[in-house]
Amino acid sequence: AQKITQTQPGMFVQEKEAVTLDCTYDTSDPSYGLFWYKQPSSGEMIFLIYQGSYDQQNATEGRYSLNFQKARKSANLVISASQLGDSAMYFCAMREASNAGNMLTFGGGTRLMVKP
Amino acid sequence: DTGVSQNPRHKITKRGQNVTFRCDPISEHNRLYWYRQTLGQGPEFLTYFQNEAQLEKSRLLSDRFSAERPKGSFSTLEIQRTEQGDSAMYLCASSGPGRGNTIYFGEGSWLTVV
Repeated sequence: AQKITQTQPGMFVQEKEAVTLDCTYDTSDPSYGLFWYKQPSSGEMIFLIYQGSYDQQNATEGRYSLNFQKARKSANLVISASQLGDSAMYFCAMREASNAGNMLTFGGGTRLMVKP
Repeated sequence: DTGVSQNPRHKITKRGQNVTFRCDPISEHNRLYWYRQTLGQGPEFLTYFQNEAQLEKSRLLSDRFSAERPKGSFSTLEIQRTEQGDSAMYLCASSGPGRGNTIYFGEGSWLTVV
């Protein structure tokens, strides 16, 4: 079974509007972390936001917020006030505490295109 | 710039040749990772170092691949006898103390095997 699922291969959003990118995950580990990365065409993976499984509040970082619904095992990324520079691939990833190396497992990504 | 640095950024090589990529992690980070990413896919884990010790290797890392991290600083990833299927982007990342032990990535090294 896929550990991280991103069901939207591509999304369009109008500039200045908000957009939600979906991510569901699968783990039996009670302690885990969820990450979102942005990958522009240049290739660099840019860290956006982190949510720990025991965090009581949803994470926010500027225009990025994470809608964490633990019972549903979803960790959707919300980008408010979209900008043209937000056009990129977005990856959801998970790290499980039982994984000694702390390595990340990634989803297949969502390509976001912001329309002017 | 104090981020993760990788070079070369692009490499085109003939099938059967050896290639080596270098990664310089963020200076205070003791963990270093190599990932591989093919077009349209998310990155896949290859191997992981804590300081100079290579602690984990994915089954994706065939015996033609070798990674080192002498003295726990920079790391190299060598691919011997390259095959066309090795064409991908090779991403290096590092992590250290901090919230969530966040893993920070470099800009990647694109490999094209012709």
